[in-house]
Amino acid sequence: EVHLLESGGGLVQPGGSLRLSCAASGFTFSTYAMSWVRQAPGKGLEWVSGIRDTVGDTYYADSVKGRFTISRDNSKSTLYLQMNSLRVEDTAIYYCAKGVRYSSLVYWYFDLWGRGTLVTVST
Amino acid sequence: DIVMTQSPDSLAVSLGERATINCKSSQSILYSSNDKNYLAWYQQKPGQPPKLLIYWASTRESGVPDRFSGSGSGTDFTLTISSLQAEDVAVYYCQQYYTSPPFTFGPGTKVDIK
Repeated sequence: EVHLLESGGGLVQPGGSLRLSCAASGFTFSTYAMSWVRQAPGKGLEWVSGIRDTVGDTYYADSVKGRFTISRDNSKSTLYLQMNSLRVEDTAIYYCAKGVRYSSLVYWYFDLWGRGTLVTVST
Repeated sequence: DIVMTQSPDSLAVSLGERATINCKSSQSILYSSNDKNYLAWYQQKPGQPPKLLIYWASTRESGVPDRFSGSGSGTDFTLTISSLQAEDVAVYYCQQYYTSPPFTFGPGTKVDIK
């Protein structure tokens, strides 16, 4: 069964750091682009960052550029999000999401989501 | 960046009746080289992650009931639930994935039972 499991969330003070992980199973992780999507309490969905498959090209929303770093370890089927200089407005559930691939082409809609991990930035 | 808007913000529909949600993009998301609209629809129930319903604006994901359908092209899109069931109560989001990031979502439409 295909599955994504996020971990690493928690309570952190403004200016602090956290590292999120997303463990993938049931599919060939290395061949898919992956993303992080967040949802602030009671709010909508916001795409945060994405990373291509084996090439590893990375992309960021303007709201996190320069503070967050996405990476992946294909040997461990794991996606990461290093979050530095955290702000109160980064408080959200962070979802790991799998992109779609047809032949060699990557498409950034998401057919598999994890259950998310909650990040709370507060004093 | 491409901005996605949705209407209405919320709607209440009687069981068995039709629900219609609109989504509009700030620029065309129809890619001329393959004639595909780069639009997806998701359903999110309380306490759950989003679930993919529709991609390429009108292609149903495997396992999605056929009462869900997507239509539209260019900048204007619609998600229709032909006969609302109790389990369809959720928030529905559109998302564009046209070319380069950011891959933006609409603000969501909440669907309830009248």
